[in-house]
Amino acid sequence: GEQVEQRPPHLSVREGDSAVIICTYTDPNSYYFFWYKQEPGAGLQLLMKVFSSTEINEGQGFTVLLNKKDKQLSLNLTAAHPGDSAVYFCAALSDSGTYQRFGTGTKLQVVP
Amino acid sequence: GPKVLQIPSHQIIDMGQMVTLNCDPVSNHLYFYWYKQILGQQMEFLVNFYNGKVMEKSKLFKDQFSVERPDGSYFTLKIQPTALEDSAVYFCASSTDWGSYEQYFGPGTRLTVL
Repeated sequence: GEQVEQRPPHLSVREGDSAVIICTYTDPNSYYFFWYKQEPGAGLQLLMKVFSSTEINEGQGFTVLLNKKDKQLSLNLTAAHPGDSAVYFCAALSDSGTYQRFGTGTKLQVVP
Repeated sequence: GPKVLQIPSHQIIDMGQMVTLNCDPVSNHLYFYWYKQILGQQMEFLVNFYNGKVMEKSKLFKDQFSVERPDGSYFTLKIQPTALEDSAVYFCASSTDWGSYEQYFGPGTRLTVL
């Protein structure tokens, strides 16, 4: 079946450095994507929704890039701070549009 | 913002017993979901639910699983009987519609089957 791969599984960066998380999806028909942040004991918090027509998406302190040719979606935190420490998940909307396929998650640690 | 609650946060039961996981979705949402995450693996879709019916389910949604939402109450996932491979974190989500509409996720229930 269709898959979403995410890397790296763990990432440690210093405060102020950038952090990049990459997801690769297999379904060429994927057209809607999501990035989530999960803090300990909390539900997934939506960071951004990405429609396939937009390759560069700016958020607060991060950028999401969509490379349809390589079927890759990346989350780039530009200047990480300790509050960014969490597990990050990407997801792709299913063909049916009725559920999401998730990546395996990336545990990000930002060290002061 | 809107929150989805899940009760309990942890549940430990013996294999073969029945368990019910409860989800309190966002109040005006009509679409409900369960996802399963085995430790160290991806969160995977189990089932979605709308208007009192299962609309779609994955191969992970075994015959021992059932979902319901009696009027105005919790959206529940029942497993009867449980098996060792049911040990996982179960996430509930709700949304106002399908597709790109935001799914709001609960914090998960960690189920351990002994």
